[in-house]
Amino acid sequence: DGGITQSPKYLFRKEGQNVTLSCEQNLNHDAMYWYRQDPGQGLRLIYYSQIVNDFQKGDIAEGYSVSREKKESFPLTVTSAQKNPTAFYLCASSISRHRVYEQYFGPGTRLTVT
Amino acid sequence: ILNVEQSPQSLHVQEGDSTNFTCSFPSSNFYALHWYRWETAKSPEALFVMTLNGDEKKKGRISATLNTKEGYSYLYIKGSQPEDSATYLCAFPAFSGGYNKLIFGAGTRLAVHP
Repeated sequence: DGGITQSPKYLFRKEGQNVTLSCEQNLNHDAMYWYRQDPGQGLRLIYYSQIVNDFQKGDIAEGYSVSREKKESFPLTVTSAQKNPTAFYLCASSISRHRVYEQYFGPGTRLTVT
Repeated sequence: ILNVEQSPQSLHVQEGDSTNFTCSFPSSNFYALHWYRWETAKSPEALFVMTLNGDEKKKGRISATLNTKEGYSYLYIKGSQPEDSATYLCAFPAFSGGYNKLIFGAGTRLAVHP
């Protein structure tokens, strides 16, 4: 079955540590996205990538970094510079950058930093 | 700043009730509107992508209408069932820097009680 996988489902880290969230897709989609959800708010875009070795900052990129070395993989690193890292993180992909195409989402990773 | 508003924030209905909720979006530079359904512990999945003013789309007991001139879309659920319980998100594509960027509303959380 085609889809998007994110791991782990739950992640706990101590403050000051960097942590990397995994996102893999086998849909052969060009575009991939990372979103963050906080209670009572809509999904906010952290980073997006149109093709391999290309990515762009979204609305809340500070304290995060990404890489896109392979078409199917788009890992997100939450660095110690991110002031409020505890949140639910969703990865998504779409066929292309064309705005009409819907996005396909992974199951998400809930990160708790203490 | 583009803003997408959804109302109500949450909704509790009895099984068999019909219900509807609203998504408001910028009426200028309209291109498309997305509706997603997000069940607890699952990934958000696309319900509809609507592009034409006056468009009406249907999937089983769920339907959506679109008014691009006044900037709103309604989602209707006829004869709600407990399995309809989910958060319903709408999203407005913004074409920024050559990339497809979705601006999400905060969602309407629907609970259908048996």
